Amino acid sequence: QITLKESGPTLVKPTQTLTLTCTFSGFSLSTSGVGVGWIRQPPGKALEWLALIYWNDDKRYSPSLKSRLTITKDTSKNQVVLTMTNMDPVDTATYYCAHSQLYEAIFDYWGQGTLVTVSS
Amino acid sequence: DIQMTQSPSSLSASVGDRVTITCQASQDISNYLNWYQQKPGKAPKLLIYDASNLETGVPSRFSGSGSGTDFTFTISSLQPEDIATYYCQQYDNPYTFGQGTKLEIK
Repeated sequence: QITLKESGPTLVKPTQTLTLTCTFSGFSLSTSGVGVGWIRQPPGKALEWLALIYWNDDKRYSPSLKSRLTITKDTSKNQVVLTMTNMDPVDTATYYCAHSQLYEAIFDYWGQGTLVTVSS
Repeated sequence: DIQMTQSPSSLSASVGDRVTITCQASQDISNYLNWYQQKPGKAPKLLIYDASNLETGVPSRFSGSGSGTDFTFTISSLQPEDIATYYCQQYDNPYTFGQGTKLEIK
């Protein structure tokens, strides 16, 4: 049974760096084809893909946010970490991590999401 | 980047109705398209992948079709539990979502 859970601060100040951790179970990020991605959703708005890391350490980023994002994995801990620098109030959103397989961005299992508010 | 134009943005239909949502890509994405259902306060759920493949456990009243730039998502007979927002997502890197279709019961 695949599960994912996001963790991190619920409130960050403008200009700070956000660090989110996705802790998962039921699969290994050393298995060929497997990936973990991050997607966010501002309140009342649409989904936005942020980043994706695959088992072979292939990393993909949203072009519009690439300069602010870093995604890493710790296979031994079953965790994926996303950092986003220079946070702004417009980055207020629910942040989701999700599992993908077959080396494609088909997100078949999602975490419950974590709401991050950016405010001074 | 590939833009996804999803329509309509909202839709009101009666139980038992056939419901159709469309998604148009700004360039050819072959069949690299998924459809998700999101209920209020919940994470999205994958319904359709590769444009037309039904995810395991998803009711057969949901279907998808299309290739290239034009895609369609259909609910053959709307049920009360289908009230949600639906999103298309293309996965020809970089990945993008449509703006969503909020489905309500008439």
